[in-house]
Amino acid sequence: IAGITQAPTSQILAAGRRMTLRCTQDMRHNAMYWYRQDLGLGLRLIHYSNTAGTTGKGEVPDGYSVSRANTDDFPLTLASAVPSQTSVYFCASSELAGGPGELFFGEGSRLTVL
Amino acid sequence: GQNIDQPTEMTATEGAIVQINCTYQTSGFNGLFWYQQHAGEAPTFLSYNVLDGLEEKGRFSSFLSRSKGYSYLLLKELQMKDSASYLCAVRDSNYQLIWGAGTKLIIKP
Repeated sequence: IAGITQAPTSQILAAGRRMTLRCTQDMRHNAMYWYRQDLGLGLRLIHYSNTAGTTGKGEVPDGYSVSRANTDDFPLTLASAVPSQTSVYFCASSELAGGPGELFFGEGSRLTVL
Repeated sequence: GQNIDQPTEMTATEGAIVQINCTYQTSGFNGLFWYQQHAGEAPTFLSYNVLDGLEEKGRFSSFLSRSKGYSYLLLKELQMKDSASYLCAVRDSNYQLIWGAGTKLIIKP
C-alpha cells in the first residue's frame, strides 16, 4: 500500500531556479493539499484541490503554483525559488474536502534554497 | 485572527500519564483533530472530535469542550515510542484546517 508518494525527499536548490515537487496518491481521494512546515510554526496550507480540475489558494500561496490534471497527481511548482522557501513540504490527501475524514500525509520533501 | 495554542514541550516518565492541552480561537468550528508526528516523519492521525466529550481509543483519549474552545489529548501507560510531537488542528467555518505549532513530548525512562 503506497498511499501518498512525494519526490524528491530532499533537494538543495540555488535561488532563482525553478523546482517542482511531485505528489501522487493511489487512494482515489478527491481532495489534496500542500503544506509547508517550519520550526516553531504549525503546518501552513499553500494550495489545495477539492477535486480534480480545481485548485485553491491557502494561507501562504505566494511564489507557488499547483495543478490538478487528474485525481492522482498534485505537483507543486516554485517558479523562482527564494531562501525563505527553505522548508519541509508535505503533500496530503483526504477522501472528501471538509469531511470528518482524516488527512493522509506523504513523507515530506525537505527543500533548501541557497 | 485564528489561533491554536499548545505547550511547546512537555516531559513525562515512561509508564505515566500525560495530558496535552489545546485551546483554540477560530472563525467557526467543524471538528478538531490530533495528529502524532515523529521526528523527521509525516504526521499520522490520532483522533477526531466534533461533539463535546471524551473519545477513547486504546491508550489515547481526546476530550473536547466547544464552549471553552478547549481540547486535550490524554496518553496513558506512556511508552518510549510515544516520544513525538502532537499536533492539534481545528477545521474552521470554511472547512480549512488551522494547525497548532505542536507539542514536543519527551519520554524519560
